[in-house]
Amino acid sequence: DSGVTQTPKHLITATGQRVTLRCSPRSGDLSVYWYQQSLDQGLQFLIQYYNGEERAKGNILERFSAQQFPDLHSELNLSSLELGDSALYFCASSVGPSTVAKNIQYFGAGTRLSVL
Amino acid sequence: GQQVMQIPQYQHVQEGEDFTTYCNSSTTLSNIQWYKQRPGGHPVFLIQLVKSGEVKKQKRLTFQFGEAKKNSSLHITATQTTDVGTYFCAGHRSGNTPLVFGKGTRLSVIA
Repeated sequence: DSGVTQTPKHLITATGQRVTLRCSPRSGDLSVYWYQQSLDQGLQFLIQYYNGEERAKGNILERFSAQQFPDLHSELNLSSLELGDSALYFCASSVGPSTVAKNIQYFGAGTRLSVL
Repeated sequence: GQQVMQIPQYQHVQEGEDFTTYCNSSTTLSNIQWYKQRPGGHPVFLIQLVKSGEVKKQKRLTFQFGEAKKNSSLHITATQTTDVGTYFCAGHRSGNTPLVFGKGTRLSVIA
């Protein structure tokens, strides 16, 4: 158990809909990262938050948004869903990002999103 | 932007054979991390290398960081069925830049 909690585990929805994925980081970790993993694809970095502030942005679509709350949990909002958004969405946390040693990431079990 | 290329994409080996995956970056990295993702699971941190030319071992796994800090390798000696999974390398250009993952090498071990 990594200590990172993601809910829900599975999500099935229709095109055009909006969903929210939730992540609770490990106790003491200030950074939260969101990744998308499609079939046979690597981990596509979406966005990082550190202590409530957006820290880095990757290949995140405009239809997607995220935030990190004062209690450090994070939510990833996906709207106007398309078939191609079906994927595994991982959240990871780290102590970081002040030093390289603190950037080791601990991943949650993921949310599998199926858009029908 | 920074890219991390990983080869091979897939590797099938007989149990007991050795396995190596290679990671190459277009830019100098401040560190390299390796993660393992079992089928149906999530990536799990294995190790981090920071120094040029660094070599670390974990039982049958040997990790190397190149002298120029642009490449890395993971070598598994005498693979076992428990080694099955996808191995990802990932690196930072600097401590404050996002971790960039390679696409991973999927290892299958035939008993």
